[in-house]
Order: sequence, then C-alpha cells, then structure tokens
Amino acid sequence: AQSVTQPDIHITVSEGASLELRCNYSYGATPYLFWYVQSPGQGLQLLLKYFSGDTLVQGIKGFEAEFKRSQSSFNLRKPSVHWSDAAEYFCAVVVPGAGSYQLTFGKGTKLSVIP
Amino acid sequence: GAGVSQSPSNKVTEKGKDVELRCDPISGHTALYWYRQSLGQGLEFLIYFQGNSAPDKSGLPSDRFSAERTGGSVSTLTIQRTQQEDSAVYLCASSLSGSTLSYNEQFFGPGTRLTVL
Repeated sequence: AQSVTQPDIHITVSEGASLELRCNYSYGATPYLFWYVQSPGQGLQLLLKYFSGDTLVQGIKGFEAEFKRSQSSFNLRKPSVHWSDAAEYFCAVVVPGAGSYQLTFGKGTKLSVIP
Repeated sequence: GAGVSQSPSNKVTEKGKDVELRCDPISGHTALYWYRQSLGQGLEFLIYFQGNSAPDKSGLPSDRFSAERTGGSVSTLTIQRTQQEDSAVYLCASSLSGSTLSYNEQFFGPGTRLTVL
C-alpha cells in the first residue's frame, strides 16, 4: 500500500523567510501528488497537484512544488512566507486507476510564522 | 456556488450513544468521500460513494461505522455505540466523479468535530 511521510511535524519560520516542507512517498509507480493546507477550524484547501509532465508545479498563494522521481519526493516551497501562511500542510497521494481515487495523506506539518 | 456543507459542526455525545453526521456535496458531484482526522492517526479514508453505491468501504474501522447516500446527493455517516477513540473530526469531500480515467479534484467540507465523553 502507498504511504506518505512528512518528516517535519512542526516548522517555525520568520515572516519573509523562505520555506520548504518535505514530503516523501512510497509507491511502486508515480502516484498523483497533492499538497493541501488546513487553517484552524477550516477544511482542506488544495494548493497544487502533480500528475505528470513538468516536475515544477505552481499553485495558489505563491506556492510551488518540485517532483523528484529519484528521491520519491514532492517538496513544497515558498520564497517569502507571510503571517497568513501559518497553518497545517498535508501532502497526499492518489493511486491512478485504482478505482476510488481516495487520498492517502501524510501526518501533516504545522507551520508557525514569527512576525 | 455553494461548497460542501456538513452538519452539525460540533457534536458532543456520551459513550455508547449513536450519532449521525451529515454531508451535503456540491451539486452535480457524483463521487463522495468520508475521511477522519484524529490526533493519533492523522487523516484517514473511510468510505467512497459513486452515486448511491459504495464500492469502497475499506477504510471503515469497525462494523459500528456505516454510511449511506440517497438520491445521489446527501450522505449520512452513522456511528453506533460510540467509543472515546471515535473522537475526531469527520471530513466529507465530493468530486465530479471518482471512477473515471481522469482524476477530478476533491472539494472538502469544514468537517464535524465529534467528541465522545
């Protein structure tokens, strides 16, 4: 079965600093890859997704992610963090063609932003 | 248009009682998913509906959990004889279709926070 690992439970950055959140997946082929954000008391919002093609994908709110097949990674980046980015971030995968397209999530990384 | 809605937003119940959680998907979305978010287990898939049928129930943790969907729209997740370990946020998501060759984005509701005392 596929699995997703987010090694960092909690990250703190200063406002204006760059950000990288790590995600590794375990699956025989390349799954569909996603990053979601969850603000306190809110549902999950899709930031970006990768299915195939260009390995650098752009998302909403100034986020981008890079797929690296050799490392089975899909790390999320932002060049300059804003205080409003404080939230919990989840990496997720979907196995294409598996039927239900259920999302398998990592445990999440909580981002705190210091003003 | 309206997004996915869930009710109630919060539910406090006593151990051993039954609870029903409701999900109203986006109009026209034939696929519906239930997930559970708990401190210990993170976000877990529970069940998937395509129309009114549930071809994938593999995530339901025990036979105390059941779900139905009527009219291809509203879904109800029922937990019988609730236990303290059932305390979690239950999230519902819907998409245009869940079983075609192309993936359709899942849109999430705000969740129902269930607390079992």
